[in-house]
Amino acid sequence: DQQVKQNSPSLSVQEGRISILNCDYTNSMFDYFLWYKKYPAEGPTFLISISSIKDKNEDGRFTVFLNKSAKHLSLHIVPSQPGDSAVYFCAASVTGTASKLTFGTGTRLQVTL
Amino acid sequence: DAGVIQSPRHEVTEMGQEVTLRCKPISGHNSLFWYRQTMMRGLELLIYFNNNVPIDDSGMPEDRFSAKMPNASFSTLKIQPSEPRDSAVYFCASSLYRGSYHEQYFGPGTRLTVT
Repeated sequence: DQQVKQNSPSLSVQEGRISILNCDYTNSMFDYFLWYKKYPAEGPTFLISISSIKDKNEDGRFTVFLNKSAKHLSLHIVPSQPGDSAVYFCAASVTGTASKLTFGTGTRLQVTL
Repeated sequence: DAGVIQSPRHEVTEMGQEVTLRCKPISGHNSLFWYRQTMMRGLELLIYFNNNVPIDDSGMPEDRFSAKMPNASFSTLKIQPSEPRDSAVYFCASSLYRGSYHEQYFGPGTRLTVT
């Protein structure tokens, strides 16, 4: 029972263009959402997060959008750079569960020159 | 700070053998998490501890898996006996929980291969 779903296992984008990574969730109790980035042979690292009281959060080239009614969030990277090539994991949490995260299966982003 | 430390980085073992994975969380963190990464299921939470006490082990796949946290600076994940389907990358993460979500910091992972 996958409560957090990333339906696109991979995505290829040209350098300078926008990358859009999508994530859907089924558990309406989730109220905090995060994106983690993972390079090969390394652990995931935190990228950006959003609380359910917001619908957008921006940090430099990275913006996360949350649509609660659709139980959908997306990560936009503008402009995409070759160093952004990595696996991106969407994760969700319920406040009060000691930061327990439920992760999606990840989307591999390849930024080409 | 050195970050979350995991050992070994790679482990190759034969089916039926006992495997022990080790984790040293970031000093001062009070929550510790064990995850398993596979292609099919992504990152799955196996178990997490808060102040050295196991809080939720519902993700532990079978009784063959066990985890301990004897003190704030050390945790182990043991698989006995190991099976080929346990082959995966196992991550440990730690965080400082103070009543609301706080970022988790991941170690580099242990790649386990069971033949």
